[in-house]
Order: sequence, then C-alpha cells, then structure tokens
Amino acid sequence: GEDVEQSLFLSVREGDSSVINCTYTDSSSTYLYWYKQEPGAGLQLLTYIFSNMDMKQDQRLTVLLNKKDKHLSLRIADTQTGDSAIYFCAEGPRSSSGYALNFGKGTSLLVTP
Amino acid sequence: NAGVTQTPKFRILKIGQSMTLQCTQDMNHNYMYWYRQDPGMGLKLIYYSVGAGITDKGEVPNGYNVSRSTTEDFPLRLELAAPSQTSVYFCASSYRQGTRTDTQYFGPGTRLTVL
Repeated sequence: GEDVEQSLFLSVREGDSSVINCTYTDSSSTYLYWYKQEPGAGLQLLTYIFSNMDMKQDQRLTVLLNKKDKHLSLRIADTQTGDSAIYFCAEGPRSSSGYALNFGKGTSLLVTP
Repeated sequence: NAGVTQTPKFRILKIGQSMTLQCTQDMNHNYMYWYRQDPGMGLKLIYYSVGAGITDKGEVPNGYNVSRSTTEDFPLRLELAAPSQTSVYFCASSYRQGTRTDTQYFGPGTRLTVL
C-alpha cells in the first residue's frame, strides 16, 4: 500500500465532476485499476487502463495516465449520490507476489445533494 | 456464475480461538488470493495460490495458513486468534495463462473481530 498514494477524502456536489488522483512508484506495472467499495461491500472493478495508454473513457468515467510522472486519475462526470463510496487505485499485476495487486489506502468520495 | 463467495460474512472470536474463512470461486480461475483490509488502509496480501496444491506467502502471512486442494476452494485458517487480526478479509481470484492476466474478482468479504 505505501507504494500507491491517494488523497483520503473528496467532497463534491451532485452534478459536478469528481477527480480522484493517485500516484504509484512501480514503473513496471502493466495495468492500473480503479475499484469501488460501497459501505459494507466488497470491491467492484470500475475500470482499468493498460500502461501504454494515456486515456480511457467508459461512459461517465475517464481515466488519465501520465506514465512519466506515475500519476493516474479517475474523473467521474455528473457525479450522483450513488457514487458515494471509497475508490481504490491499484497497480499490478506483480509477478513477485503471484500477480497480486498493490492497493492504495482509498479515497472516500462524498457526494452531497 | 456466483463469482467469488465467502463465508461467514461476520464473526466474533475470542483471543486464542481458531477458525477457517471459506472462499469458493466458480469461474475456473487458477489464481486465488487472500487480502486483509484494516480500517482506513488499503488491502494487504496475506497468501496467494497459483493453482491447486501450490500456495505462497504474501506481505502479511504471520498467524495464517492456507491450503488449495481444489481449483475452486481456498480456505484461510487462523490458528490462535489475536486482536491484531481484527480486520475485513477479502478473497479474490483471477485467470492467468502465459503472459495474459485477467482482472481480479473479489468476494464480499468476511468481517472478523477478535476480542
């Protein structure tokens, strides 16, 4: 977890865009992932980006990757109250640990009406 | 497909007790993982398995044991529960063949409290 850094909290108003940022240290990561965790639930894969891509768009979600700066961001357009959750950035898979993922501590997103 | 299932969902243990957390996947994935999530923290890898009969330690294996007798099941054993093992435990699985690794799918988690 200490190799993947995220801000802990973000609060936005409903209808605004949310941007969640992440920095990582392992330049050999093949993929970078965003997982969503709702209260009391498991982790749900939101989206992922291959390390040789700069951007990936999937409906309201836009992922930007700056490989030079090892910076990843997740933009959620038209944020809804149902988007309130914890968002985890993860890098991997790591061959040294059975292709497991390395997670950040998560960003708690609060969407207010 | 049910995906990755975990039982129990909740459990309270006394210090020194033992228990087994169950994990089953029906996607014919060869790789399986156990992570723990402490409050306000990311997930830490406890153990992983690359196939039936093969397991290895992750980042935080102390106090735990695993086995993988079948492709579907990957139980996690706590022999002498300690308060430091209070956490949420997630099982995950993925498929890997050659250089291709598919995404990891997670179970709903087991919330364990040791008092």
